[in-house]
Amino acid sequence: AQSVSQHNHHVILSEAASLELGCNYSYGGTVNLFWYVQYPGQHLQLLLKYFSGDPLVKGIKGFEAEFIKSKFSFNLRKPSVQWSDTAEYFCAVISFSGGYNKLIFGAGTRLAVHP
Amino acid sequence: EPEVTQTPSHQVTQMGQEVILRCVPISNHLYFYWYRQILGQKVEFLVSFYNNEISEKSEIFDDQFSVERPDGSNFTLKIRSTKLEDSAMYFCASSSRIQETQYFGPGTRLLVL
Repeated sequence: AQSVSQHNHHVILSEAASLELGCNYSYGGTVNLFWYVQYPGQHLQLLLKYFSGDPLVKGIKGFEAEFIKSKFSFNLRKPSVQWSDTAEYFCAVISFSGGYNKLIFGAGTRLAVHP
Repeated sequence: EPEVTQTPSHQVTQMGQEVILRCVPISNHLYFYWYRQILGQKVEFLVSFYNNEISEKSEIFDDQFSVERPDGSNFTLKIRSTKLEDSAMYFCASSSRIQETQYFGPGTRLLVL
């Protein structure tokens, strides 16, 4: 079955620490990849996306992600987190096979950044 | 910046009652979706809608669920006879094209008692 795995359910960091959140998916074909963020009390917002081209994509607020096709991975990174990055982060995939248009989400990673 | 809006933000209902969740997608978007997130679980796809018909639905989306675009702006999800296990956060989303970025609304938190 198609699935998305996020390795860390909870991450606690101090400000200025580096962040890497893992995401792996289980599709064999072409995919579009997304990271969404949900700040406390707010709705899901797009952080960044990968459709094609340069596998290193940059998003808002200093986030970036790298698509590694051979590893079926799309890890999210930020070199120096801030307290305002405290949120839940969701990796999601759309598979092109079968003409599907639905997002398959990972379980999410709750990030807490302490000042 | 255009946003997806949803009403109500919270809904409490008795088991067996009908509920209608409302969404206003981004105005020039053509594809509309409902997702839900049961507390502590993943965000799950329910249904996608294009050109006034369902284009894809999940196993969750059984005969108790229906969607409608009653006018040019609203997109609704109806649950005919709610069950306890329907308690969840329901998210509406829209996109301009197939397999493009989906933009989410703030959600409706449904509690079935």
